[in-house]
Amino acid sequence: RKEVEQDPGPFNVPEGATVAFNCTYSNSASQSFFWYRQDCRKEPKLLMSVYSSGNEDGRFTAQLNRASQYISLLIRDSKLSDSATYLCAVMDSSYKLIFGSGTRLLVRP
Amino acid sequence: DTGVSQNPRHKITKRGQNVTFRCDPISEHNRLYWYRQTLGQGPEFLTYFQNEAQLEKSRLLSDRFSAERPKGSFSTLEIQRTEQGDSAMYLCASSLGQGGNSPLHFGNGTRLTVT
Repeated sequence: RKEVEQDPGPFNVPEGATVAFNCTYSNSASQSFFWYRQDCRKEPKLLMSVYSSGNEDGRFTAQLNRASQYISLLIRDSKLSDSATYLCAVMDSSYKLIFGSGTRLLVRP
Repeated sequence: DTGVSQNPRHKITKRGQNVTFRCDPISEHNRLYWYRQTLGQGPEFLTYFQNEAQLEKSRLLSDRFSAERPKGSFSTLEIQRTEQGDSAMYLCASSLGQGGNSPLHFGNGTRLTVT
């Protein structure tokens, strides 16, 4: 079993839709959690950290469920420019990030 | 631009040759990481440094791979006797290193093609 698992998608949604991605992790000692966005052939860019109480940044909301060991990302009012791969990342006890394989999002006009 | 800088951006080499990549982290960051990414996969951890100390190496990192960070600033990743399976994007990242809440910031990567 992979340490961090994501549905690869693609999620194909119309502009304006709300879409949610989940990510599960296996190591209960994981410390910190992040979502990254990666465009084709580019480096991952930090989208947001995920806090225990949940957090929001504009159209993006991240939540953490430690009991069930998953994190989620909700995107409201999808834009064409949101089309990308979204990577879930979990920091382990030795301060390295373990990434999922990513979920691909396609927003269509 | 004060982000993480990597060079070269692209490297094409013949199988069996040695290659070296360089990473310059964000200046105040004391942790530096190397990752490898292939198509359709997330970044895969290779190794990381806290200042000049190499704290962890992935067991995926064969003896042909070596990384250094001699003065705790820039880092190099060398691959000896390259194989076609080494073809990938090599990503460097850095972080402030304040406990477990410091996200990693990535450079734009070095794309290696081994022919």
